[in-house]
Amino acid sequence: DTGVSQDPRHKITKRGQNVTFRCDPISEHNRLYWYRQTLGQGPEFLTYFQNEAQLEKSRLLSDRFSAERPKGSFSTLEIQRTEQGDSAMYLCASNPLTGAPEQYFGPGTRLTVT
Amino acid sequence: GNSVTQMEGPVTLSEEAFLTINCTYTATGYPSLFWYVQYPGEGLQLLLKATKADDKGSNKGFEATYRKETTSFHLEKGSVQVSDSAVYFCALSLPIQGAQKLVFGQGTRLTINP
Repeated sequence: DTGVSQDPRHKITKRGQNVTFRCDPISEHNRLYWYRQTLGQGPEFLTYFQNEAQLEKSRLLSDRFSAERPKGSFSTLEIQRTEQGDSAMYLCASNPLTGAPEQYFGPGTRLTVT
Repeated sequence: GNSVTQMEGPVTLSEEAFLTINCTYTATGYPSLFWYVQYPGEGLQLLLKATKADDKGSNKGFEATYRKETTSFHLEKGSVQVSDSAVYFCALSLPIQGAQKLVFGQGTRLTINP
């Protein structure tokens, strides 16, 4: 099995621009999660997909954030009108529908908003 | 609410020293508990887990026991190596629609000196 992959690994953008990140989960993992990790903190849950359905969203996910998983495989996370407070590591994780509860994480996309 | 509190870091030890990183949690119900490790420039990797009270998780010489009476899941290793230098995160699982999300502590940075 290849692991969870994320693209890009790093993104620098100017305030007000839109950015989009991609996550490819482990193949055949039905469940996909997005987390955000700010410097010196643990990851915080943003949203969850089961196949193509977005079943849970955190209050952290403001209206400027949107996530999709159109065919139940890869997922994208878009941030519109970026703000400096959006600077963080965005992590994607996946796990199968049945089995143990642990999640498998990708390497993350580090976003810097200048 | 549901939360995880970890021992404040950073922690610096000499090679072959004994390691303890404290973790306590607050949760309703009976969550699964995890330790994840993050090496520089990499994503989070599952180190070990325990899914019910009195379970002991172990991996790569690390151990942690799920103690319901003290709501703790302390990480221990008898003899650390330089290669154990990383950030360690304690986490618990919380049910969400159709899955479980992870709630993380703030992380403990560990540095092992030769």
